[in-house]
Amino acid sequence: EAGVTQSPRYAVLQEGQAVSFWCDPISGHDTLYWYQQPRDQGPQLLVYFRDEAVIDNSQLPSDRFSAVRPKGTNSTLKIQSAKQGDTATYLCASSPGLGYSQNTLYFGAGTRLSVL
Amino acid sequence: AQSVTQPDARVTVSEGASLQLRCKYSSSVTPYLFWYVQYPRQGLQLLLKYYSGDPVVQGVNGFEAEFSKSNSSFHLRKASVHWSDSAVYFCAVRNSGGSNAKLTFGKGTKLSVKS
Repeated sequence: EAGVTQSPRYAVLQEGQAVSFWCDPISGHDTLYWYQQPRDQGPQLLVYFRDEAVIDNSQLPSDRFSAVRPKGTNSTLKIQSAKQGDTATYLCASSPGLGYSQNTLYFGAGTRLSVL
Repeated sequence: AQSVTQPDARVTVSEGASLQLRCKYSSSVTPYLFWYVQYPRQGLQLLLKYYSGDPVVQGVNGFEAEFSKSNSSFHLRKASVHWSDSAVYFCAVRNSGGSNAKLTFGKGTKLSVKS
C-alpha cells in the first residue's frame, strides 16, 4: 500500500512569491490534514477535510493561505505572497473514516519551505 | 480545548540505558493519546496509541506508554535504548467522541542516544 505522497520535497522562495504544495493521501482515506511544523516545534494544524468538505480551517491564515480538495482525493495547499514567518515544513496526513482507526494519522515526508 | 505539554525539549541517554519521555495532556473529555516519532527529514510515524482499557500500551521497537488519568499523563518508556532511537518524539491528544478529528501535538522531545 502506497503511503502519503507530497511534492515538492523542498521549496525556496523570496518574500512575496507564491507556492503550492500537493498531497496524495492513502487510497480510501477520507480525512486529509495539513499541518505546519516550524523548526524545532511540533506540528500545528492548519486545515483538515473530510472528503471534499473543509471541517476545520480556523488556524489557516485566510488572507494568504488556501487549501482545496476538490474530488475528495488529492489536495493542494497554496501560499500567496509568502513571508519569512512561513518558513517551516508542511506536512500532509490522512486517516481512514471509520472506527478507532480513524484516529491514526499517516504522514507524508513533508515539504520543507524556506522563505528568504 | 485540548493541549499537550512535553516538558523536556532535549534528553540525552547512553545506549543500553532506560528511557522515560514525559507527556502531560489537558482534555475536557476522555482523551485518545498517541506517541509519534520523527526521524531527520522524514514525516511522523506512529509508535503507539491509547484509547481505553489497560493503561499500559505496547508499541513498536520495544516502546511502551502508561496512561494516568489522575496525573493527566502519558509517559513513554523503553527499557534499553539503541543508538537508532535518536529522533524527535511527539505526544499527541485527541478528544474522544464527536466528529472532531483534530489531533493536537506537543512541541516534541529530541532524544540523543550516545554510544
